[in-house]
Amino acid sequence: GNSVTQMEGPVTLSEEAFLTINCTYTATGYPSLFWYVQYPGEGLQLLLKATKADDKGSNKGFEATYRKETTSFHLEKGSVQVSDSAVYFCALTPFYSGAGSYQLTFGKGTKLSVIP
Amino acid sequence: ETGVTQTPRHLVMGMTNKKSLKCEQHLGHNAMYWYKQSAKKPLELMFVYNFKEQTENNSVPSRFSPECPNSSHLFLHLHTLQPEDSALYLCASSQFDDRSQPQHFGDGTRLSIL
Repeated sequence: GNSVTQMEGPVTLSEEAFLTINCTYTATGYPSLFWYVQYPGEGLQLLLKATKADDKGSNKGFEATYRKETTSFHLEKGSVQVSDSAVYFCALTPFYSGAGSYQLTFGKGTKLSVIP
Repeated sequence: ETGVTQTPRHLVMGMTNKKSLKCEQHLGHNAMYWYKQSAKKPLELMFVYNFKEQTENNSVPSRFSPECPNSSHLFLHLHTLQPEDSALYLCASSQFDDRSQPQHFGDGTRLSIL
């Protein structure tokens, strides 16, 4: 079956530090890949996505590149802010769906805390 | 109003109570989902509805009963819950036949069982 593995947290960084959250996946074909963010007390928001190999998703200074050869979709940001403190989820939808709906498979989430 | 709206945001109930969670989406999507998010556990998909028809029930106990009267509304009826059912319940919607389109989530209902 499909699975997503992301680095264990929590991750604590100082403001303006470089961020990498690793994500690797197991799936057949070419799944679509997503990063979601969950701020305290809120639901999940889509941060960025990539739907084919070598695509780069980007939003709010965050980037992730779909690497088919390493089955990875690592999240990066060059300079984090206190407001980036949240839980980050890597997820995929499969290339094929027998049921007709493309259900998300999530990683366990990585909690990021950014301190001033 | 746009997006996915869940009510109530917080709910405290006893184990013998009956309550319902409501979800409404204004995105024109045709699939809706219920998820359970517990502390220190991965997100759990509970139910999936495509075009109002339930297509997934991931071994959810019968004390949770979903209802989808139309493609914009989704309910989760609760009765005789257990303390371990305390969690954040998230609703999401999407276009069921487009794998490149993301699911959109509401802010959730924080449920506490006394």
